[in-house]
Amino acid sequence: GENVEQHPSTLSVQEGDSAVIKCTYSDSASNYFPWYKQELGKRPQLIIDIRSNVGEKKDQRIAVTLNKTAKHFSLHITETQPEDSAVYFCAASKENFNKFYFGSGTKLNVKP
Amino acid sequence: GAGVSQSPRYKVTKRGQDVALRCDPISGHVSLYWYRQALGQGPEFLTYFNYEAQQDKSGLPNDRFSAERPEGSISTLTIQRTEQRDSAMYRCASSSPSGGARFGDTQYFGPGTRLTVL
Repeated sequence: GENVEQHPSTLSVQEGDSAVIKCTYSDSASNYFPWYKQELGKRPQLIIDIRSNVGEKKDQRIAVTLNKTAKHFSLHITETQPEDSAVYFCAASKENFNKFYFGSGTKLNVKP
Repeated sequence: GAGVSQSPRYKVTKRGQDVALRCDPISGHVSLYWYRQALGQGPEFLTYFNYEAQQDKSGLPNDRFSAERPEGSISTLTIQRTEQRDSAMYRCASSSPSGGARFGDTQYFGPGTRLTVL
């Protein structure tokens, strides 16, 4: 089966700085990679996703990059704000199978 | 529109009792998933359905766990003879086909049921 590893487990940045969270996966057949943000006591919310036919995707301050050869993908948040503080989870799946394998999460703390 | 809903939101039960957790997916969503999330961890896959058919139950920990979706909409996850180690947040998610896919991809999560087994 797939194994998704995520790091760092915690990340503390100053407001306005950038944050990068990295994930690796083991199954080269995985082709869909979503990122979820989970605020304390709330449900995971999709913030961005990428499919294996592209190498990068951007949405305002958030971007995701994918390196299929190295089997890793990263979340980049620029100009961080206190409201970005949350736990972020990466996941991988084979699109036709729909089973998501999640990383263990990164707790991001943005200090004002 | 309404998102994924789950009930009950909290369930406290005694060891040995059976529990049934309900998931109401987003209307029209074909695929429905069950996950278990331990505190501080990512969701762990349990099982999923396309319409009423259970496609994969490889994540169910043992035969005390079962799930059904008889009419292809609401789903129930049942845990028989609960044990303390079953205590966790149980989350449901649903998805709908997009981009020509036959089945769903992006999954939308429900608020979860916090199960505590005493």
